Amino acid sequence: EAGVAQSPRYKIIEKRQSVAFWCNPISGHATLYWYQQILGQGPKLLIQFQNNGVVDDSQLPKDRFSAERLKGVDSTLKIQPAKLEDSAVYLCASVIGAGVWGAFFGQGTRLTVV
Amino acid sequence: GEDVEQSLFLSVREGDSSVINCTYTDSSSTYLYWYKQEPGAGLQLLTYIFSNMDMKQDQRLTVLLNKKDKHLSLRIADTQTGDSAIYFCAERGAGSYQLTFGKGTKLSVIP
Repeated sequence: EAGVAQSPRYKIIEKRQSVAFWCNPISGHATLYWYQQILGQGPKLLIQFQNNGVVDDSQLPKDRFSAERLKGVDSTLKIQPAKLEDSAVYLCASVIGAGVWGAFFGQGTRLTVV
Repeated sequence: GEDVEQSLFLSVREGDSSVINCTYTDSSSTYLYWYKQEPGAGLQLLTYIFSNMDMKQDQRLTVLLNKKDKHLSLRIADTQTGDSAIYFCAERGAGSYQLTFGKGTKLSVIP
């Protein structure tokens, strides 16, 4: 079974530029998350989708971050404009149904804002 | 909000047992998880335990849950150098699919 795919693996941009990350969850997984992991910390939830609807985006900085999950499969996360403090690893995870086995994570995209 | 706390570092000798501890505040937690993160990699689900269980064993891994004290531990028997990584405790509240993570415990295994 293929895992959660993310791209790109690494991205370096200057502050005030825009960036987009892509995620393809495990086939059949209805729930998709985007997490932000700052160096030395645990992942922090940014947004949760159930199929193509947003369940929780309370921790998403909506003035600069946006995310969508068209057709309930792939998802993109965008930052516009980026700030230095956005430097982090952005992790995508997916869960099948009730997800008792926990979320399965992709390898993440490491973003460096300079 | 809900909180998950872990000690930041643990160092053990190869062949010894490692015990990584975690405390959480959400009394409605239904599932608790342990994830492993190796350098430059995503999070790998190691094991999970339902909140109505006290213990779960899976090969070298033993999870103990004290629900009264909201304390979770992960014991790794016969720790190997390949076990060196950051271990994250995570909890999931009732009626939610969201995971709240601790800051992670960095396990260093000394040969």
